[in-house]
Amino acid sequence: DQQVKQNSPSLSVQEGRISILNCDYTNSMFDYFLWYKKYPAEGPTFLISISSIKDKNEDGRFTVFLNKSAKHLSLHIVPSQPGDSAVYFCAASAIIQGAQKLVFGQGTRLTINP
Amino acid sequence: DGGITQSPKYLFRKEGQNVTLSCEQNLNHDAMYWYRQDPGQGLRLIYYSQIVNDFQKGDIAEGYSVSREKKESFPLTVTSAQKNPTAFYLCASSRLAGLGLDEQFFGPGTRLTVL
Repeated sequence: DQQVKQNSPSLSVQEGRISILNCDYTNSMFDYFLWYKKYPAEGPTFLISISSIKDKNEDGRFTVFLNKSAKHLSLHIVPSQPGDSAVYFCAASAIIQGAQKLVFGQGTRLTINP
Repeated sequence: DGGITQSPKYLFRKEGQNVTLSCEQNLNHDAMYWYRQDPGQGLRLIYYSQIVNDFQKGDIAEGYSVSREKKESFPLTVTSAQKNPTAFYLCASSRLAGLGLDEQFFGPGTRLTVL
């Protein structure tokens, strides 16, 4: 039972263009959504988050959009840069039995081409 | 520098052996977590701890054990009962401020290979 899904295993984008990574979820209990960036053989690093009561959060080149009715969120990176090439994980947060738990999607490998 | 350290970075184990992965944090975080990552999959929660001397099973705890004797340390033991232990293991920590999102910070990971 995959509660958080990233249906695109990979994405290739030209440098300078917009990258759009998508994520779908099934559980309405999630209160926050996060995006993490991961390089090979390293731990994920936090990128940006959004509360379930918002529909947009922006931080520099990164913007996350949340569509609650569709249970869908997306991460926009503009303009895309070569250093953005990494695996991006979508995660959803819920308080379960007093503990904050994250549920992760499978990840999308983003490649930025020069 | 504050952060999370995991050691070793690469670990090889023979079948039937127990092995312990180290995780230390100096962020003064109350909560610590262990995740497992397999190729093409997201991170799955093994165990977590919100306070010293207390820990809870995550989604895939079978074949694993943990301890939390100190706030800074949360070692994970992969036992011989774990049927498919070869994976990338990630430790994380977070505050427990209880005021909205408590971001989880991750260590660099340990890649365990069973020979």
